Amino acid sequence: AQKVTQAQTEISVVEKEDVTLDCVYETRDTTYYLFWYKQPPSGELVFLIRRNSFDEQNEISGRYSWNFQKSTSSFNFTITASQVVDSAVYFCALSEVVTGGGNKLTFGTGTQLKVEL
Amino acid sequence: EAGVAQSPRYKIIEKRQSVAFWCNPISGHATLYWYQQILGQGPKLLIQFQNNGVVDDSQLPKDRFSAERLKGVDSTLKIQPAKLEDSAVYLCASRSLRRGLNTEAFFGQGTRLTVV
Repeated sequence: AQKVTQAQTEISVVEKEDVTLDCVYETRDTTYYLFWYKQPPSGELVFLIRRNSFDEQNEISGRYSWNFQKSTSSFNFTITASQVVDSAVYFCALSEVVTGGGNKLTFGTGTQLKVEL
Repeated sequence: EAGVAQSPRYKIIEKRQSVAFWCNPISGHATLYWYQQILGQGPKLLIQFQNNGVVDDSQLPKDRFSAERLKGVDSTLKIQPAKLEDSAVYLCASRSLRRGLNTEAFFGQGTRLTVV
């Protein structure tokens, strides 16, 4: 069975600090996809990034960056110069192919990020 | 492009009562999911539809939960009778198959259910 572990339950930082959210996954699939979603207080899950298992190139998008390391089964997310608006719960997820077609996302338990002034 | 619409946003019911949630996915999205998110946990898949057929309902408590997706568009999720442990946010998500199976899913704002 696939599993996603986000060991950090809650992180608090002061605005402008850098913060890294950890994600470790387990899968027997050789081809898989990893995702990060943001869940602000409004409740809607907002897609941030998708990465497939064959692409270990790190990605940067503005203040966000992702470090995918297949050797350690990790897909960590860094926010540079954090802002109050970054306060949310962040979920790492792993896609899994299901019998009958299609696939589903298996989510970690999330990391609550609080950015304070 | 309109997002995934869900209603109601909030619902409070007594245990043993029935409740239904509605979801309208993004237009053209063939895949629709219902997830249950208990406070402090990540979303857990309840059921997945592809068009109007069920692909995966292995984690749906079928003795009390049911879902349908008539005509492959809107979907309803029903709980009958509700238990206290059903208190959670119920999230609907949809996904397009046009770019393959592993595109991102788009989520609605969810329905927060409180069973008292």
